[in-house]
Amino acid sequence: AQRVTQPEKLLSVFKGAPVELKCNYSYSGSPELFWYVQYSRQRLQLLLRHISRESIKGFTADLNKGETSFHLKKPFAQEEDSAMYYCALKISNFGNEKLTFGTGTRLTIIP
Amino acid sequence: SAVISQKPSRDICQRGTSLTIQCQVDSQVTMMFWYRQQPGQSLTLIATANQGSEATYESGFVIDKFPISRPNLTFSTLTVSNMSPEDSSIYLCSVDRAGTEAFFGQGTRLTVV
Repeated sequence: AQRVTQPEKLLSVFKGAPVELKCNYSYSGSPELFWYVQYSRQRLQLLLRHISRESIKGFTADLNKGETSFHLKKPFAQEEDSAMYYCALKISNFGNEKLTFGTGTRLTIIP
Repeated sequence: SAVISQKPSRDICQRGTSLTIQCQVDSQVTMMFWYRQQPGQSLTLIATANQGSEATYESGFVIDKFPISRPNLTFSTLTVSNMSPEDSSIYLCSVDRAGTEAFFGQGTRLTVV
């Protein structure tokens, strides 16, 4: 069965330091992976997806199929990055698509 | 993008009663998704609601406990029936437009006492 693992529930990083939020997945098919973010008192929203290969708010994430990982990285943390981050895997089954979420990592940026 | 209005935003309910959560989308979508997020845990998909057909429930969730309606392409309801304290959770409505990005409602924070 498919699974998404985020090993860190909590992560604290000093402002200006590099950030890495870990995500590993297990899925027998071709994976499509996403990072979603929830800022305080806001709704869950897409941060980035691996297909786009883009950098959003300074964050990047590379899909590593060999290591089945999709870690989220940012070279210099900013205070506004404090939020809850979820890694998600989209699976397709007979035309039905759905997302499987990791347990999330709460990132706190220390001023 | 998609704008999703979900209500109520929160409620406190007595055990044994039922609560219906409404989800309104600002444009037509084929599939709507209902999630549960229990305290300290991740989002778990309850069911997928397609307009004009029965909802598809995930393992561990049944229609008698979580009946869903999908009367048109912009609206859905989820009912939490015969509630117990274990049903205390955040319930989220979501849509996935064009299969590229999921949009979420603000969530309904349910407390069962």
